[in-house]
Amino acid sequence: EAGVVQSPRYKIIEKKQPVAFWCNPISGHNTLYWYRQNLGQGPELLIRYENEEAVDDSQLPKDRFSAERLKGVDSTLKIQPAELGDSAVYLCASSSSSGLGGYTFGSGTRLTVV
Amino acid sequence: QKEVEQDPGPLSVPEGAIVSLNCTYSNSAFQYFMWYRQYSRKGPELLMYTYSSGNKEDGRFTAQVDKSSKYISLFIRDSQPSDSATYLCAMTSGGSNYKLTFGKGTLLTVNP
Repeated sequence: EAGVVQSPRYKIIEKKQPVAFWCNPISGHNTLYWYRQNLGQGPELLIRYENEEAVDDSQLPKDRFSAERLKGVDSTLKIQPAELGDSAVYLCASSSSSGLGGYTFGSGTRLTVV
Repeated sequence: QKEVEQDPGPLSVPEGAIVSLNCTYSNSAFQYFMWYRQYSRKGPELLMYTYSSGNKEDGRFTAQVDKSSKYISLFIRDSQPSDSATYLCAMTSGGSNYKLTFGKGTLLTVNP
């Protein structure tokens, strides 16, 4: 099993530019999460999907961040325009209702905004 | 006050030592507790999870939960250089398909 796959692994952009991250969850996992991890901190939830529905986006800065999960599988997180403070690692995770043992993270996308 | 507090360390121990990592929390709704290991430039990897107070053992790792004190611990016996990583505690109130609230992580180095 491939695990949670994210791309790209690294991205460097200038401020005010747009950027997008892609995530492919574990097959059969209906719940998908985007977390942001700042340097020296634990991950913090941005958005949670149940299938294609965003059920918790209270922490997503909606003025510049957007996300979608078409067909309830892959997901894309977008930032437009990026700010210096958006530099962080963006982690995707997925889980199923079968238990906490399957709550799996991808390797993340490390974003640097210059 | 953050919902989950974790001493960021760093913690440096010799190979073979017993390591104790701890978190405290303030939200009584947390019912499920997890420990993740994160190597540099990698995503968090689930080590252990537990639903209840008490101890859970898996090889060299033991997770301990004391809900009355809102305190959780991870013990690593016979620590190895390969255990060098950041250890993150995480917890949730909503079961397997809910958001996790993490501590800051503790950076552990095991010296050969």
